[in-house]
Amino acid sequence: QKEVEQNSGPLSVPEGAIASLNCTYSDRGSQSFFWYRQYSGKSPELIMFIYSNGDKEDGRFTAQLNKASQYVSLLIRDSQPSDSATYLCAAWTGTYKYIFGTGTRLKVLA
Amino acid sequence: DAGVIQSPRHEVTEMGQEVTLRCKPISGHNSLFWYRQTMMRGLELLIYFNNNVPIDDSGMPEDRFSAKMPNASFSTLKIQPSEPRDSAVYFCASSRGQGISGNTIYFGEGSWLTVV
Repeated sequence: QKEVEQNSGPLSVPEGAIASLNCTYSDRGSQSFFWYRQYSGKSPELIMFIYSNGDKEDGRFTAQLNKASQYVSLLIRDSQPSDSATYLCAAWTGTYKYIFGTGTRLKVLA
Repeated sequence: DAGVIQSPRHEVTEMGQEVTLRCKPISGHNSLFWYRQTMMRGLELLIYFNNNVPIDDSGMPEDRFSAKMPNASFSTLKIQPSEPRDSAVYFCASSRGQGISGNTIYFGEGSWLTVV
């Protein structure tokens, strides 16, 4: 069964630190990967997506993809308490199928 | 631009009652998804529509669940009869369905269902 695995956390980091969120996937045919942020009681909102090996930066966020290792990560620089949320990793398999991980809960401590 | 619009936002109903959840996708999006989210199982795809046609309903738990998309701007998810184990958040999502960036899916605010 195709899966996306995430550590459920919580991952606690102090304010101003770098938060590193990780995700592994089992389907080598996955073509692109999405990071969503979900605040408690809210819907998932897109942070960014990546489909090429390497890094992709958007403001304080950097997504990293290593297809050989089937590994995706999201780095959040200068973490703020407002970044405290659950972060969902999703793999798009090239059709309509998105495989979502169960999410990592991040807590940024003021 | 208006996002994906869902109603009702919250629903509390008694076991055995019919529940209808509604969704209006983003204009111009031709792919629509219904997801269910629970603490135990995370986000599960229930059904996928492309150009108003159901393509994959393998995630629909059982015959008590049905979904329709009569036109490009409206979809419903119906549960009849409802059971307490159906209590979850139901998300509708849509995407343009073209190319990698076009396959970004956008979620509605969700319908929080409690069956007592």
